[in-house]
Amino acid sequence: GQNIDQPTEMTATEGAIVQINCTYQTSGFNGLFWYQQHAGEAPTFLSYNVLDGLEEKGRFSSFLSRSKGYSYLLLKELQMKDSASYLCAVKDSNYQLIWGAGTKLIIKP
Amino acid sequence: IAGITQAPTSQILAAGRRMTLRCTQDMRHNAMYWYRQDLGLGLRLIHYSNTAGTTGKGEVPDGYSVSRANTDDFPLTLASAVPSQTSVYFCASSFSGRATDTQYFGPGTRLTVL
Repeated sequence: GQNIDQPTEMTATEGAIVQINCTYQTSGFNGLFWYQQHAGEAPTFLSYNVLDGLEEKGRFSSFLSRSKGYSYLLLKELQMKDSASYLCAVKDSNYQLIWGAGTKLIIKP
Repeated sequence: IAGITQAPTSQILAAGRRMTLRCTQDMRHNAMYWYRQDLGLGLRLIHYSNTAGTTGKGEVPDGYSVSRANTDDFPLTLASAVPSQTSVYFCASSFSGRATDTQYFGPGTRLTVL
């Protein structure tokens, strides 16, 4: 079966750095997406990786290793507004997105 | 309008009733999707449409139907609602259904079936 695993919840301090991991097993691979979802709101796109390596976008970076079935989202200089759930999703061989359950990130002052 | 809109924002429905959730996008995207989101679970695909006039079944299609008469609209119908269909429903769209392009989400409909 297809599976996306990520931690349920993480806590970090304002101004710090946090890494959210995602491991996947899917039938085929057509890219990995990270979305941010604030409570009661829709998911919004953060990043996309299809090749191995690091993609940097401001305070957020995303890393992919296809051979290990592994990705992480790195958030730097954490702000209170970064408190949200972070969703990892992989596009499989049928171009359908398979979603992890999300990681709830709690930022403390 | 800009982006994707969904209606209603929330609804409480008696079991056995018929309900249609509406979704409209103005981005001229070819592909549209319906997901449900339940606590502790990832988003699960209900139905999708890669282009107007075509639809397909996702991971959890039972009890739901969709139509895609034009590019902009993608309604989701619950023919006879059951309590297990209590969930938050998100509509999404992307430029193409078969490329590695990004999906954009509507604000969601919170549905409670009693």
